[in-house]
Amino acid sequence: DTAVSQTPKYLVTQMGNDKSIKCEQNLGHDTMYWYKQDSKKFLKIMFSYNNKELIINETVPNRFSPKSPDKAHLNLHINSLELGDSAVYFCASSQGWTGVTGNTIYFGEGSWLTVV
Amino acid sequence: DAKTTQPPSMDCAEGRAANLPCNHSTISGNEYVYWYRQIHSQGPQYIIHGLKNNETNEMASLIITEDRKSSTLILPHATLRDTAVYYCIVRDRSSNTGKLIFGQGTTLQVKP
Repeated sequence: DTAVSQTPKYLVTQMGNDKSIKCEQNLGHDTMYWYKQDSKKFLKIMFSYNNKELIINETVPNRFSPKSPDKAHLNLHINSLELGDSAVYFCASSQGWTGVTGNTIYFGEGSWLTVV
Repeated sequence: DAKTTQPPSMDCAEGRAANLPCNHSTISGNEYVYWYRQIHSQGPQYIIHGLKNNETNEMASLIITEDRKSSTLILPHATLRDTAVYYCIVRDRSSNTGKLIFGQGTTLQVKP
């Protein structure tokens, strides 16, 4: 069973559209994350939710809106897509925050977003 | 910014040990050292982490110097499937959320 699963894996869309990426984890973790990997392969955190509460928002444009309906899900909705949004988006989860307990973050396989 | 420095690339012969170094000279006493790797077109995969003592698991060993300013990840018998980008990460200390800050990592190429 996939621990952290994301859908869709590939998404090609036009500028100006609105799209969502869904993420689910079956590890029973209470913290979930969205990371972005750009064309230069740098991985950067975007958001983190703990028990459905937003705890990290890394100055991401407000066109990006995460939604956590429950602890096992963290979806990413993107409005008015721009060319620069093309990237790979990784969902991840952990039990607790790595900063306090040293717990491990587990990543999904990524969602490849291409804006044309 | 990442708090670690790693060589951009390394080669290793299949079956030999791969030793990947990492410098983290500004690490503080409560910060952990994590190692992740990313195989092409996949999500980052946790390998190992440590605080002070050396650690070993089924994937690798982590050697942390006594002053904690550097560490080495050891893959004891590298295979072609170990070809990946390896990230050495020190847990962020600017907030209490503990996010992982990835640097450029080391691209390890295991050759037959």
